Amino acid sequence: AQKITQTQPGMFVQEKEAVTLDCTYDTSDPSYGLFWYKQPSSGEMIFLIYQGSYDQQNATEGRYSLNFQKARKSANLVISASQLGDSAMYFCAMREGPLVEAGGTSYGKLTFGQGTILTVHP
Amino acid sequence: GAVVSQHPSRVICKSGTSVKIECRSLDFQATTMFWYRQFPKQSLMLMATSNEGSKATYEQGVEKDKFLINHASLTLSTLTVTSAHPEDSSFYICSARGRLAGSSYNEQFFGPGTRLTVL
Repeated sequence: AQKITQTQPGMFVQEKEAVTLDCTYDTSDPSYGLFWYKQPSSGEMIFLIYQGSYDQQNATEGRYSLNFQKARKSANLVISASQLGDSAMYFCAMREGPLVEAGGTSYGKLTFGQGTILTVHP
Repeated sequence: GAVVSQHPSRVICKSGTSVKIECRSLDFQATTMFWYRQFPKQSLMLMATSNEGSKATYEQGVEKDKFLINHASLTLSTLTVTSAHPEDSSFYICSARGRLAGSSYNEQFFGPGTRLTVL
């Protein structure tokens, strides 16, 4: 079963408007983290925002905010005041297991969604 | 600045040759490194996870004899694509997990990727 689902292959938005990129996830682990990354045409993965499963408030980072609805298992990314430079591929990702790792033990790989190509029009 | 580097950024090789890609963590020790593969306009697919000093754990369907991973030190992991063929052409991205100075928890950082083209 798909653990992370992004149902929008492509999205278009007018410059200066807000856009929401959808992401739903599936896990039975009570402790998990949700990430959003931006991948421009250069290929680098740029970390945007993180939401922990126990976080009470929705995460925000500048123009990025995460609409976390735990009961619905959704973690949509909202980009406000879109800019031309926001045009890129966006990935939602999940890591199961706690973020803070005791004793330096590493576990919990990142699983990525299919991605959404965002195009910002002038 | 970048905390994970990859070399080379781009490589073109003939079919049948082997290609080595290096991934280095800069200014932090990476307890775990991950190698991903990405085809154009598709998602990142995890190939393998490696912890320093131990054998890599490969994902289902990934040939370990084809994609050799060596995590010899806490700052260096290498992926060798042996006897590369055109279907191996892809974008390979490494990721390193570790603690930056002053941080109390591990974070995961991505390298800039290596574009492999096999003729």
